[in-house]
Amino acid sequence: QSVLTQPPSVSGAPGQRVTISCSGSSSNIGAGYDVHWYQQLPGTAPKLLIYNNNNRPSGVPDRFSGSKSGTSPSLAITGLQAEDEADYYCQSYDTSLSGYVFGTGTKVTVL
Amino acid sequence: EVQLVESGGGLVQPGGSLRLSCAASGFTVSNNYMSWVRQAPGKGLEWVSLIYSGGSTYYADSVKGRFTISRHSSENTLYLQMNNLRPEDTAVYFCAKIAEDGWSGFDSWGQGTLVTVSS
Repeated sequence: QSVLTQPPSVSGAPGQRVTISCSGSSSNIGAGYDVHWYQQLPGTAPKLLIYNNNNRPSGVPDRFSGSKSGTSPSLAITGLQAEDEADYYCQSYDTSLSGYVFGTGTKVTVL
Repeated sequence: EVQLVESGGGLVQPGGSLRLSCAASGFTVSNNYMSWVRQAPGKGLEWVSLIYSGGSTYYADSVKGRFTISRHSSENTLYLQMNNLRPEDTAVYFCAKIAEDGWSGFDSWGQGTLVTVSS
């Protein structure tokens, strides 16, 4: 029951910048809840990439950045590298569910 | 170091039951918010259930009334009891720890355990 919408795929050449959008509703992102981003490499568990809209956990490269302009959060990857090929998910809290919601996921392809 | 290890997955017939376990180390399960998240084959992530440190529990509509989340303090383990399983419950089930402030995302994940519901 994904209620956050992401583009299915984005691609870019090595070194380029790509962005991933995440759209929600008035019961989650629109209500002011923070957005978190996860990276899932093939065959592995998700990994927290960005928390509270724009914070990087220790060890996450600074080429990953998050923003939340109004109610439009996004993830940017600058200086794209081959190892960044993965699925990326946004996540927030939803008051109507009294629980969490994930985005539909975006596959990043490095050309 | 925080570690989460799930177990208990397997093949079960529709209408059957399974209990998943998530053994934790490096932190205390009962002092943190914990969740189960699942991923159907080739699909995205779906939040399943949440247990707060105070013991309150919440469920996705898709599993409400069939799944029960619980924890055992002395074993430092999280559980998910799944009853009346359906083919659409087939997925890899991850347990995840929510950051200690309760609001900063799922900061640790297990490796996942596969549940297959099929006759």
